[in-house]
Amino acid sequence: QVQLVESGGGVVQPGGSLRLSCAASGFTFSSYGMHWVRQAPGKGLEWVAFIRYDGSNKYYADSVKGRFTISRDNSKNTLYLQMNSLRAEDTAVYYCAKGPAPGWDYYFDYWGQGTLVTVSS
Amino acid sequence: QSALTQEASVSGTVGQKVTLSCTGNSNNIGSYAVGWYQQISHGAPKTVMFGNSLPSGIPDRFSGSKSGTTASLTISGLQPEDEADYYCSTWDYSLSAWVFGGGTKLTVL
Repeated sequence: QVQLVESGGGVVQPGGSLRLSCAASGFTFSSYGMHWVRQAPGKGLEWVAFIRYDGSNKYYADSVKGRFTISRDNSKNTLYLQMNSLRAEDTAVYYCAKGPAPGWDYYFDYWGQGTLVTVSS
Repeated sequence: QSALTQEASVSGTVGQKVTLSCTGNSNNIGSYAVGWYQQISHGAPKTVMFGNSLPSGIPDRFSGSKSGTTASLTISGLQPEDEADYYCSTWDYSLSAWVFGGGTKLTVL
């Protein structure tokens, strides 16, 4: 069955960097678009970034554009999120989510368990 | 402020039918189908509907519909295990972004 396992979360100071990973299994990772979605404490879900199956196209939320970079290694079945210039408002649980198609589609079909990122001095 | 608008809370009794709504505009719900996501006790979200289609393993008491710029998730025969937060989401072509509603807390009385 589809499994998405995030890692790399932790506590980081404002202005610092962190790289999240999402290990995928149970499906042909290289055939599907992938997303990062986050949830701040006590708040709702916020989409963060999307990458096409082959990495050829990426989209970002305005709140992270220029600071975060989504990437993937299809040989390792792994999705990444490089987060730079972190701010307190980036504190959230970050979820990896699978898209149902190689490229764009309107929904997410599977979700990981999430990894917590805390930005604090 | 979320791009999609959902009720903050909805409640119902066991066996009752409840409908959750999600309102957007012509740039999002008016142009694309909607996904619905269930989150129990701040755990991982789970997809319970995409458009009017049920993912495998989701009970058929869940159904989805859309009219104009409003999408709805209906649960017929409410069960205690349905108590959760529910989020709607879709693509917004003017924002070039996926957008979410603020979420509806469903309480089963």
